[in-house]
Amino acid sequence: QKEVEQDPGPLSVPEGAIVSLNCTYSNSAFQYFMWYRQYSRKGPELLMYTYSSGNKEDGRFTAQVDKSSKYISLFIRDSQPSDSATYLCASNAGGTSYGKLTFGQGTILTVHP
Amino acid sequence: DTEVTQTPKHLVMGMTNKKSLKCEQHMGHRAMYWYKQKAKKPPELMFVYSYEKLSINESVPSRFSPECPNSSLLNLHLHALQPEDSALYLCASSQVGTGEGEQFFGPGTRLTVL
Repeated sequence: QKEVEQDPGPLSVPEGAIVSLNCTYSNSAFQYFMWYRQYSRKGPELLMYTYSSGNKEDGRFTAQVDKSSKYISLFIRDSQPSDSATYLCASNAGGTSYGKLTFGQGTILTVHP
Repeated sequence: DTEVTQTPKHLVMGMTNKKSLKCEQHMGHRAMYWYKQKAKKPPELMFVYSYEKLSINESVPSRFSPECPNSSLLNLHLHALQPEDSALYLCASSQVGTGEGEQFFGPGTRLTVL
């Protein structure tokens, strides 16, 4: 079993839809949770960062972490064609892991006009 | 400014060549990372430098040799690579030397080994 599981999709939605992306993880030591957006042939761009459990909102993006169920979510409101990309969830435990990120497999999202 | 820069953007090399990848950040971050990413896969960690010291080597073959000349710079020296080493090589950094917190990636160097 992978430490971070993510449905690879692909996911196709119409413009304006609400998108829900999800990951589950198994390592109880994970404390830091990130969502990255990666366009084709580019580096990952940090979208959202959360420490421990809770919600965080930034514009059209909301990240949720539920440590009790080991569940990570990213919601995108009013999705745009420019949101079409691969979305990667990632976690690290801090401390002696020195920031080693464990990634999900990535979800390919297409938002069509 | 949360920018990590990488040069070159693209690199083509033969199996007998020696080349280097360069990464730079001016955010005062004290942890820096090299990742390798193959097509349609997530990034895989190769090396971690914490306070300019090598803290993690994920059993990477010796044909990849990292170097951290100072707190802003990270190099990856390449020698005698194989075609299967062709990939996107990503550099990242995070503020805290032990890696807690946000991690920012550069745009990557796309490496092709002939």
